[in-house]
Amino acid sequence: EVQLVESGGGLVQPGGSLRLSCAASGFTFSSYWMSWVRQAPGKGLEWVANIKQDGSEKYYVDSVKGRFTISRDNAKNSLYLQMNSLRAEDTAVYYCARDSVYYYYYMDVWGKGTTVTVSS
Amino acid sequence: EIVLTQSPGTLSLSPGERATLSCRASQSVSSSYLAWYQQKPGQAPRLLIYGASSRATGIPDRFSGSGSGTDFTLTISRLEPEDFAVYYCQQYGSSPQWTFGQGTKVEIK
Repeated sequence: EVQLVESGGGLVQPGGSLRLSCAASGFTFSSYWMSWVRQAPGKGLEWVANIKQDGSEKYYVDSVKGRFTISRDNAKNSLYLQMNSLRAEDTAVYYCARDSVYYYYYMDVWGKGTTVTVSS
Repeated sequence: EIVLTQSPGTLSLSPGERATLSCRASQSVSSSYLAWYQQKPGQAPRLLIYGASSRATGIPDRFSGSGSGTDFTLTISRLEPEDFAVYYCQQYGSSPQWTFGQGTKVEIK
């Protein structure tokens, strides 16, 4: 079964750090771009970052540039999001998703999400 | 940056009725880059439509997508109880790489 499972969320104070993980199974992880997408409470979806199959290209939404770092370990079938200098507005459910970027572009596999709360 | 605007914000309909959801882009979008997702409370989004009009695996044929350029539509021909949810359109661009519309909630009237 194709599956993504996020972990690492929790409560953190403003200015703090957190590292999210996403474990992939059921598919060849190293063949896919991967993304992090977040959803603030009661709000819509916002793409956060993505990373190429070999980690050589990474892209971020402007609001997290310089604070968040996406990475992957293909040997461990895992995706990561290192979040530093966290702000209240980073509070959200964070999903990892598989990007399909060949002729058609979409995200076809999603994890259930992990919740990050930034509060004092 | 391409902005996707979905309308209406909320659609109140009864089971069995037809739902028509709109997604308008601020600039022309390649149909290959336009997708639709369904999200139910407490769940992750689920891919419904890709390439503006192709149904994802396992999606019932009551769901259909159409459109091109700046105007795209998701149609649910006959609403089933499980279709009441929030629907998002999404496009792939350059910076940011992915953008979503703000969502349309389809609620039971």
